[in-house]
Amino acid sequence: DQQVKQNSPSLSVQEGRISILNCDYTNSMFDYFLWYKKYPAEGPTFLISISSIKDKNEDGRFTVFLNKSAKHLSLHIVPSQPGDSAVYFCAPLIRGSARQLTFGSGTQLTVLP
Amino acid sequence: EAQVTQNPRYLITVTGKKLTVTCSQNMNHEYMSWYRQDPGLGLRQIYYSMNVEVTDKGDVPEGYKVSRKEKRNFPLILESPSPNQTSLYFCASSLGVPGVANYGYTFGSGTRLTVV
Repeated sequence: DQQVKQNSPSLSVQEGRISILNCDYTNSMFDYFLWYKKYPAEGPTFLISISSIKDKNEDGRFTVFLNKSAKHLSLHIVPSQPGDSAVYFCAPLIRGSARQLTFGSGTQLTVLP
Repeated sequence: EAQVTQNPRYLITVTGKKLTVTCSQNMNHEYMSWYRQDPGLGLRQIYYSMNVEVTDKGDVPEGYKVSRKEKRNFPLILESPSPNQTSLYFCASSLGVPGVANYGYTFGSGTRLTVV
């Protein structure tokens, strides 16, 4: 029973355009959401996070939106760059709970030059 | 350089032969965790440790053991590996529990394990 789903295994966008990566979750107890980025042959790296008390968090070209009622979050990358090509994982948490649940299955983003 | 170091990067072994994957971090992080990554399933937590001598099961602990005798090291032990443990393994550490005070994980580069 996957509590977090990233339904698009892959996404291709043109350089300079917007990339939108989506994540849906089922557990209403999640109150903190992280995004990780993973290049081949490397471990994931923390990208951006959002607390459930917010609906938007922005960091440079990266913005995460949270819609709690829909149990949906999305990561926007504007403008997309070829170096953004990677696998992106969303990872919801129950804040303060040490047990990290399953990450999403990831979305492979390819930014075409 | 602040990092999480896993060894080995690649390992092929036979069913039933005990093995240990080492993990070490140099950031004085309290929280460490092991994950496995499988196609279509994302990253699943195997075990985690909140501090020295404090470990607990994650989502998929069967067939694995861990120990945390020192703050910097968190080895993953497969006492009797089986082919269904063929996977990509990641060790991760965090200053505190992820999600508290914006703590995120620092991941190692991964260990590709094949059990034949």
